Amino acid sequence: GAVVSQHPSRVICKSGTSVKIECRSLDFQATTMFWYRQFPKQSLMLMATSNEGSKATYEQGVEKDKFLINHASLTLSTLTVTSAHPEDSSFYICSARDQKGGSYEQYFGPGTRLTVT
Amino acid sequence: GDSVTQMEGPVTLSEEAFLTINCTYTATGYPSLFWYVQYPGEGLQLLLKATKADDKGSNKGFEATYRKETTSFHLEKGSVQVSDSAVYFCALGQAGTALIFGKGTTLSVSS
Repeated sequence: GAVVSQHPSRVICKSGTSVKIECRSLDFQATTMFWYRQFPKQSLMLMATSNEGSKATYEQGVEKDKFLINHASLTLSTLTVTSAHPEDSSFYICSARDQKGGSYEQYFGPGTRLTVT
Repeated sequence: GDSVTQMEGPVTLSEEAFLTINCTYTATGYPSLFWYVQYPGEGLQLLLKATKADDKGSNKGFEATYRKETTSFHLEKGSVQVSDSAVYFCALGQAGTALIFGKGTTLSVSS
């Protein structure tokens, strides 16, 4: 089956620094990737949709200058949390849609736990 | 806009009990429907899916039938196990947009 990886799985950083999270589709090409944020015991909140070779589309209320998304190839998208603050601590999950798929299914990465101290 | 509503949890069951988690949706067009499962500290895994009305998705003993007339996609399992304890998300997918998720239902199964 389609596999999506994320790196790192856990990261701790100091307030004010930046952190980059990578999302890769390992065995398929993903024209579209999605970034979600999940708070404890809550559902996934869509942050942005990333299309290969174009600018990401951010959901309302998500600061695009703070959460930089790059989708440089059909298998890699990155999320950079800039000038991180403790309130950015969360579980970030990426997903990818197989461009050959017809059922709109998304394959999810294992998530990245970000802790900002 | 499109939306998904699923029953609030937590759902607490004894091993071998019957499970139902209700899910209804509102959508224009002809969406695909999904159930995803999330184990603690992990990402989401696709449990099953259905792409058109009357389709039944099934996997690992779980089943759900796409009912257009009642706009529902209820998840069922005849006999749950402790290992089924997780959070279950119902989701709706259409072309050109990200999946729309319900709020999730926590299932806790005790032996």
